[in-house]
Amino acid sequence: QQQVKQSPQSLIVQKGGISIINCAYENTAFDYFPWYQQFPGKGPALLIAIRPDVSEKKEGRFTISFNKSAKQFSLHIMDSQPGDSATYFCAASMEGGKLIFGQGTELSVKP
Amino acid sequence: DTAVSQTPKYLVTQMGNDKSIKCEQNLGHDTMYWYKQDSKKFLKIMFSYNNKELIINETVPNRFSPKSPDKAHLNLHINSLELGDSAVYFCASSQLAGGTEAFFGQGTRLTVV
Repeated sequence: QQQVKQSPQSLIVQKGGISIINCAYENTAFDYFPWYQQFPGKGPALLIAIRPDVSEKKEGRFTISFNKSAKQFSLHIMDSQPGDSATYFCAASMEGGKLIFGQGTELSVKP
Repeated sequence: DTAVSQTPKYLVTQMGNDKSIKCEQNLGHDTMYWYKQDSKKFLKIMFSYNNKELIINETVPNRFSPKSPDKAHLNLHINSLELGDSAVYFCASSQLAGGTEAFFGQGTRLTVV
């Protein structure tokens, strides 16, 4: 019940395309859903986050779509660029709790 | 100015040794964490401290002992290192315990030979 399932494991997108990564959770007590971006040799860094009272959040080229009834959320990267090539992690947490991470998606954007 | 810094960045040691990883944050956060990232890049929390008090202790072998001398520092000591301890260990901090952005350090790659 504490798991967050993420797919796909890897994704190859052409420059300018849309990258879509999906996550699903079980625990309805989760109330904070961040996405982290990790480059090789670096720590994860927060990209964008959403709370369950909002169905969509957009920051620049990055959008989170959140479906509370389906217990699913996704990250859309518009106009994907080679510099977006990294590993992306969805996560979930609750007040006073820990971050539960998805398995990660390795995104490669081809020029 | 680095927000969350951990040392060393790389650590190569033999089985059975004892080693420590240090972490410091200058963000004024109340909560600090240790996460482990395995060879498949899966990130899992190990410990969480809030104002120097342990609040989360996952099912981690008791060879791992965190110590928080003050709320800006959280160190990780590992006794009797085993091959399976090889991983990247990340320190992180956040203003609150859960529900807010966690800032991660650059990681310590531990290799046990």
